[in-house]
Amino acid sequence: DADVTQTPRNRITKTGKRIMLECSQTKGHDRMYWYRQDPGLGLRLIYYSFDVKDINKGEISDGYSVSRQAQAKFSLSLESAIPNQTALYFCATSGGRISGANVLTFGAGSRLTVL
Amino acid sequence: SQQGEEDPQALSIQEGENATMNCSYKTSINNLQWYRQNSGRGLVHLILIRSNEREKHSGRLRVTLDTSKKSSSLLITASRAADTASYFCATDRGGSNYKLTFGKGTLLTVNP
Repeated sequence: DADVTQTPRNRITKTGKRIMLECSQTKGHDRMYWYRQDPGLGLRLIYYSFDVKDINKGEISDGYSVSRQAQAKFSLSLESAIPNQTALYFCATSGGRISGANVLTFGAGSRLTVL
Repeated sequence: SQQGEEDPQALSIQEGENATMNCSYKTSINNLQWYRQNSGRGLVHLILIRSNEREKHSGRLRVTLDTSKKSSSLLITASRAADTASYFCATDRGGSNYKLTFGKGTLLTVNP
């Protein structure tokens, strides 16, 4: 099994629908992140969490919410999806500053299409 | 806002040639990392270079860092078709800011 598992891998939905993307990890990492990737724009951080009680907004959090249900689980919700939220979404984890560095382990991605 | 910017945006070479990708950034950093992404897949960490290091090697990868110019380069030697992927630099500013900021990536195509 993958260290970081994202579900669903692909989802097509309609404008206005509520969507949840789920992420679970077996790395035992405290830190979890949600990134969005759009062609030509690289990865942009949506939300991040350093532990179960710590949730922080990233650079593009508007229109999104998150829930850290447990150390191993971090879900991303789109309360009312809109077409410009069509993108590839990545969950990532890190063990924090082990050896002074913050290295990310990524999931395989969730491709979301909003019609 | 993007911290790192890769150059070129796309690079096409023949198998066996070397590939060089560059990354420029704007603010001081604790370390800089390079990641690889095969088409539509998750990113995979390749190599990390700290701000007090100037060069680092890992297999066919060589990374340099020039903090005075706020730039880094990734060299892949003797490229293979399997190296075809997008390559991203990511900067870590250190301190309490535990977030990595990614550039837009360089798409490398290695032709057999």
